[in-house]
Amino acid sequence: QVQLVQSGAEVKKPGASVKVSCKASGYTFTGYYMHWVRQAPGQGLEWMGWINPNSGGTNYAQKFQGWVTMTRDTSISTAYMELSRLRSDDTAVYYCARDSGYNWNYDWFDPWGQGTLVTVSS
Amino acid sequence: AIQLTQSPSSLSASVGDRVTITCRASQGISSALAWYQQKPGKAPKLLIYDASSLESGVPSRFSGSGSGTDFTLTISSLQPEDFATYYCQQFNNYPLTFGGGTKVEIK
Repeated sequence: QVQLVQSGAEVKKPGASVKVSCKASGYTFTGYYMHWVRQAPGQGLEWMGWINPNSGGTNYAQKFQGWVTMTRDTSISTAYMELSRLRSDDTAVYYCARDSGYNWNYDWFDPWGQGTLVTVSS
Repeated sequence: AIQLTQSPSSLSASVGDRVTITCRASQGISSALAWYQQKPGKAPKLLIYDASSLESGVPSRFSGSGSGTDFTLTISSLQPEDFATYYCQQFNNYPLTFGGGTKVEIK
């Protein structure tokens, strides 16, 4: 079955960077865009951007441009999201979520990874 | 960015009740709306896309309607496993945005 498995929880100091991985299985990795969405504790959902695993092309929300980098390694069917210059308000659960469209971005998501808690604290 | 306003932000209901959640967009988005269910400590799950299309495997008691700026998610007969938080999401424009969520609690 389609599955997205993310890397484990991270604790980082302000100003550091974090890189979260998302390993896909059960489908053709290069056929579906991968999105990243975050959720601060007790808060709603915030879309960060997507990567096209086939071309490596990206589309970041303006808020995160210059600050987030999404990459992929097709040899191991894994997508990555790196966030730099972390602040305390970046503390959140970060989700990868597969786009529902094959070879096209429909921009709705199914399934989602289990989430990775990133805690930013001095 | 398009803002999505969900109402109510929370509600209490009993098993068997009919529940309706509203999502209003700050500008017209045609039918470019999805609904998700999220249980505590879990990732969201897709329920509805294109405003009214039921995702495969989702029970038929869930339905969506609307277009333009006003949308609804209806649960025709609330089941114990439906107690969760529900989010709408628009995909008409970037950045993709979500509503603030509606928490459905047990009465």
